Amino acid sequence: LAKTTQPISMDSYEGQEVNITCSHNNIATNDYITWYQQFPSQGPRFIIQGYKTKVTNEVASLFIPADRKSSTLSLPRVSLSDTAVYYCLVGDYGGSQGNLIFGKGTKLSVKP
Amino acid sequence: DAGVTQSPTHLIKTRGQQVTLRCSPKSGHDTVSWYQQALGQGPQFIFQYYEEEERQRGNFPDRFSGHQFPNYSSELNVNALLLGDSALYLCASSLALGQSGANVLTFGAGSRLTVL
Repeated sequence: LAKTTQPISMDSYEGQEVNITCSHNNIATNDYITWYQQFPSQGPRFIIQGYKTKVTNEVASLFIPADRKSSTLSLPRVSLSDTAVYYCLVGDYGGSQGNLIFGKGTKLSVKP
Repeated sequence: DAGVTQSPTHLIKTRGQQVTLRCSPKSGHDTVSWYQQALGQGPQFIFQYYEEEERQRGNFPDRFSGHQFPNYSSELNVNALLLGDSALYLCASSLALGQSGANVLTFGAGSRLTVL
């Protein structure tokens, strides 16, 4: 099972760009990288998913180097409402959820 | 378009009792997974249901059981409750196993279980 390693916490200020890096050294060929956001007392919410290079959507960008052993979630111009826990998951595209391991995530605190 | 709905939102039980939690998946999804999230921890996979059968199971004892109905909704049952079962129980739905994008989960808000 592909496990991930993320920083436990990060601090930022409103308007800054935040980059959260995740290590997944034993990622398999069929694995995709998915990031979720979770607010207190809510379920995680899908942010972005990618396989290689760069993926961008309306809320974030995901950078994946050629060796795919790490990935970086980039949040542009964060606001107070981006304070949350961010999880990086690695798993195959077919949906074998048992292979998706949530670590403790990265607790992002955005200050005014 | 309703997302994943879970009930009840909060409940309190005593040790030894049994509890049933319910989940309705997002429209268009037919796979349901259950997770347990203790305070300060990430969600831990309990099991996954597809086509009314348990397809995968995490490292949880047999006290944890589930069911999926023909309309894709699901129940999680926990017997002989222990203090350590106190947690947020999350239901997540997704597309059918094997479909592209089936590893993208839509979560409900969870059911907060307190065992006294």
